[in-house]
Amino acid sequence: GIQVEQSPPDLILQEGANSTLRCNFSDSVNNLQWFHQNPWGQLINLFYIPSGTKQNGRLSATTVATERYSLLYISSSQTTDSGVYFCAVLRANFGNEKLTFGTGTRLTIIP
Amino acid sequence: DAGVIQSPRHEVTEMGQEVTLRCKPISGHDYLFWYRQTMMRGLELLIYFNNNVPIDDSGMPEDRFSAKMPNASFSTLKIQPSEPRDSAVYFCASRAGGRTYEQYFGPGTRLTVT
Repeated sequence: GIQVEQSPPDLILQEGANSTLRCNFSDSVNNLQWFHQNPWGQLINLFYIPSGTKQNGRLSATTVATERYSLLYISSSQTTDSGVYFCAVLRANFGNEKLTFGTGTRLTIIP
Repeated sequence: DAGVIQSPRHEVTEMGQEVTLRCKPISGHDYLFWYRQTMMRGLELLIYFNNNVPIDDSGMPEDRFSAKMPNASFSTLKIQPSEPRDSAVYFCASRAGGRTYEQYFGPGTRLTVT
């Protein structure tokens, strides 16, 4: 199956700092999503980004499909950004619907 | 749009009991997915439906697990009998049809089997 690797596994930052999270994947994909799992366990959709660049407020994401990686940028971090960030991909096979998740990056923002 | 709705949000039960988790997908979505999240295995797909028909149940751990989708707005995941190793967070997700593959997740059900 497709491999998904996220880095770094853990990140501790001061409030106001910027961060870059990386997701590498091993095959062509139809779907790439970034999620934020908050401390209450909810999975929040951040971006649907199989290719290209998108921005939403302080967050932006870029996927370079030809080089099989995606980056999530968080600027001016706030304590509410704490949690685990997951990258999930859908391998580009006809009829494949299995979303494969990375192991996540745990982000802790210190006031 | 209310998003994906799951119930209950928390379930505590004793080993051997039957557990039923419920999900209402986003209206108009053709696909429904059940995932399980554990510390050891992370997030893994259990089963998914397309237009109420189960398509791939290869992720269902064993015969104690079963899932149904009697109509487009309701699905259940049942565990009978439950075991302590079934303790996990169970997520339901849905997506629209066609070539938009974005999945939307519900809030999850935290199951504890004692």
